[in-house]
Amino acid sequence: GQSLEQPSEVTAVEGAIVQINCTYQTSGFYGLSWYQQHDGGAPTFLSYNALDGLEETGRFSSFLSRSDSYGYLLLQELQMKDSASYFCAVRGANTGFQKLVFGTGTRLLVSP
Amino acid sequence: GAGVSQSPSNKVTEKGKDVELRCDPISGHTALYWYRQRLGQGLEFLIYFQGNSAPDKSGLPSDRFSAERTGESVSTLTIQRTQQEDSAVYLCASSLDDRNYGYTFGSGTRLTVV
Repeated sequence: GQSLEQPSEVTAVEGAIVQINCTYQTSGFYGLSWYQQHDGGAPTFLSYNALDGLEETGRFSSFLSRSDSYGYLLLQELQMKDSASYFCAVRGANTGFQKLVFGTGTRLLVSP
Repeated sequence: GAGVSQSPSNKVTEKGKDVELRCDPISGHTALYWYRQRLGQGLEFLIYFQGNSAPDKSGLPSDRFSAERTGESVSTLTIQRTQQEDSAVYLCASSLDDRNYGYTFGSGTRLTVV
């Protein structure tokens, strides 16, 4: 089967930089995605990496290393509103690649 | 519509009753997905539709769960003879097609079985 591992919780202060790691196991691979979910809210799409390297979107960047089955989400200049849960998700051949399989999520707590 | 709409937003039901959860995807989105999220947990895949066919039902937990979709529009998830372990938030998402990696989620239906 497939599995994704993320830290359960990360804490940081406003203005800092935080990295949320994700390792995955899947047969075949069609990309790693990241979603943000505030408490009681809907998950929202942040980024997608199909190829190795860094993708930057404003304060958020996402990295992928396919050879290491590893990726991370980098959040810079943290703001209080970044407190949320962050999920990595994969599309892989053994998941039926038309659907995303999500990790268990990392809860980010940003303090003043 | 502008976003994915789910109804009801909250549903409290008695154990053993049937419930229907509705999802109205973004207009033009041919792929539609149902996920379940228990409190503090990740998203558990249930079923997906491409158009009105369901190529992957592998996540449905039991035969008490079923779903249908009318054309490329509204989908209904039905849970029969609800059990307390069915209590969760049921999230619906849509995307342009089933090869598109960007899902748009609805706000979910919070189901509580008492």
